[in-house]
Amino acid sequence: AQKITQTQPGMFVQEKEAVTLDCTYDTSDPSYGLFWYKQPSSGEMIFLIYQGSYDQQNATEGRYSLNFQKARKSANLVISASQLGDSAMYFCAMREGPEGYQKVTFGTGTKLQVIP
Amino acid sequence: DVKVTQSSRYLVKRTGEKVFLECVQDMDHENMFWYRQDPGLGLRLIYFSYDVKMKEKGDIPEGYSVSREKKERFSLILESASTNQTSMYLCASSTRGAIEQFFGPGTRLTVL
Repeated sequence: AQKITQTQPGMFVQEKEAVTLDCTYDTSDPSYGLFWYKQPSSGEMIFLIYQGSYDQQNATEGRYSLNFQKARKSANLVISASQLGDSAMYFCAMREGPEGYQKVTFGTGTKLQVIP
Repeated sequence: DVKVTQSSRYLVKRTGEKVFLECVQDMDHENMFWYRQDPGLGLRLIYFSYDVKMKEKGDIPEGYSVSREKKERFSLILESASTNQTSMYLCASSTRGAIEQFFGPGTRLTVL
């Protein structure tokens, strides 16, 4: 079974609108962490946001928020007020094991295009 | 700023050649990683290292080896390149206990 599933290969969003990128995960480990990375066309992966499995509140970082629904095993990324510079590939990823353990599994990515 | 650099952005090699991909980080990070990225498959971990001279296999180590003689440098070696190793290769580093990994710009390797 896939550990990280991103079902949207590509998405479009109008500039200034909000967009949700889906991510579901599969793990039996009680301690895990979920990440989102952005990869612009330049190729470099940029860390956006992190959610630990024991965190009570959803993580937020500026215009990014992670909608963490533990029972549903989903960790969707919400980008508010989209900007043209948000056009990129977005990867969801998961760490299984205690915080600080570094082996991470990535999803297949979602290509987001922001339309002016 | 953390800086992870990779020796080449683009590389073209022939089948059977020995290929070295170099990665250097300037933040004294203990952990270093090599991933390959292919369309529709995301990033897959090839090897990682928690310390100098230490290495662990990732999910797809076959056909690759690594070397970490100095803390700042992590090399990926393709002993005999094959066409199915044509891919984007990404290096990353992190400090022990950290959440975030810092990535280099990637090397797009083509094996003819």
